Amino acid sequence: EAGVAQSPRYKIIEKRQSVAFWCNPISGHATLYWYQQILGQGPKLLIQFQNNGVVDDSQLPKDRFSAERLKGVDSTLKIQPAKLEDSAVYLCASSEVTRGADTQYFGPGTRLTVL
Amino acid sequence: GQQLNQSPQSMFIQEGEDVSMNCTSSSIFNTWLWYKQDPGEGPVLLIALYKAGELTSNGRLTAQFGITRKDSFLNISASIPSDVGIYFCAGYQFGWGKLQFGAGTQVVVTP
Repeated sequence: EAGVAQSPRYKIIEKRQSVAFWCNPISGHATLYWYQQILGQGPKLLIQFQNNGVVDDSQLPKDRFSAERLKGVDSTLKIQPAKLEDSAVYLCASSEVTRGADTQYFGPGTRLTVL
Repeated sequence: GQQLNQSPQSMFIQEGEDVSMNCTSSSIFNTWLWYKQDPGEGPVLLIALYKAGELTSNGRLTAQFGITRKDSFLNISASIPSDVGIYFCAGYQFGWGKLQFGAGTQVVVTP
């Protein structure tokens, strides 16, 4: 079974530029998550989709971050304009609901460096 | 969000030694998950715990869901070089509906 796919793996941009990340979840997983992981910390949820609807985006900085999941499969996360503090690994995960909890499977992440 | 305190922050151990780490919270969780993250990769699920007092093993890994539901422990027995990485605990509450991650425990194994 193929895992969660993400691209690109690495991205270097200058502040105020825009950037987009792509995620393809595990086939059949209805729930998709985007996390931000700053160096030395655990992942922090940015947004959660159930099919193509947003379940939780309470921690998404909506003035600069946006995400969509058209057709309930692939998803893109965009930052516009980027700030220095956006430098982090952006992880995509998808889940199957198991015994009432989300067992999430992560992709390899996109490492973003903002100069 | 709910605060998870994971300790220790890092461990330097010799090959063959056992490793223990834990996660505590002031809040009750319904599920505890333990992940391992290798450099340049996403976290990989190791063990999932769903019931207070539950003790689950996965090879040399053993994890327990604390009886108070506010903590969890992960043990690695007879460590080997490939155990190197960062281990994260994550807690899930039905009411909150999202995973909360600890800050991670970095494990370094020396021959």
